[in-house]
Amino acid sequence: EVQLVESGGGLVQPGRSMKLSCAASGFTFSNYGMAWVRQAPTKGLEWVATISYDGSSTYYRDSVKGRFTISRDNAKSTLYLQMNSLRSEDTATYYCTRADSSYIGWFAYWGQGTLVTVSS
Amino acid sequence: DIQMTQSPSFLSASVGERVTLSCKASQNINKYLDWYQQKLGEAPKLLIYNTNNLHTGIPSRFSGSGSGTDYTLTISSLQPEDVATYFCLQRNSWPLTFGSGTKLEIK
Repeated sequence: EVQLVESGGGLVQPGRSMKLSCAASGFTFSNYGMAWVRQAPTKGLEWVATISYDGSSTYYRDSVKGRFTISRDNAKSTLYLQMNSLRSEDTATYYCTRADSSYIGWFAYWGQGTLVTVSS
Repeated sequence: DIQMTQSPSFLSASVGERVTLSCKASQNINKYLDWYQQKLGEAPKLLIYNTNNLHTGIPSRFSGSGSGTDYTLTISSLQPEDVATYFCLQRNSWPLTFGSGTKLEIK
């Protein structure tokens, strides 16, 4: 059974940093692209970043480019999102997803999400 | 960026009714269009990928169609468990963009 379990969320002050993790199991992690998708409270879904199966390619939405870094450790089957210079508009539930077929593939599996609240 | 416009924003329908949700892209997305269902308090779930491919385990009452800029999700016979918000996602080009969602309720 495919499982994606996010962790690392919580309350953080504006301008500070936070690192999210996503532990994957039930599939060969190193074969799949992975992505982060977020959802602000009561709002819609927003793609954040994608990483290729081997970590050689990364893609970001403009609003997080230069502040967020997506990375992976295939030996640990874990996906990360390092978030720096956090802003109030980054407040959201962050979902880890698996990209099927290719790194720009459909999001077949999702974690349960971890809530990040940016507030003083 | 490709803008995705979903309509209607809200839909109320009766059990057993045929329901159609629309998603329109601001440019041709070459059928790289997925549909996701999100129930209250839960993570989104993939229903359909690449316009018309049903994801594993999804009931056959869900179907998708479309091409170019116009795409449709159809529920052939609405069930009480289909109450949710439905989002479309284009994967034709970066940045990937979601529609704003259609909230579906039972009348």
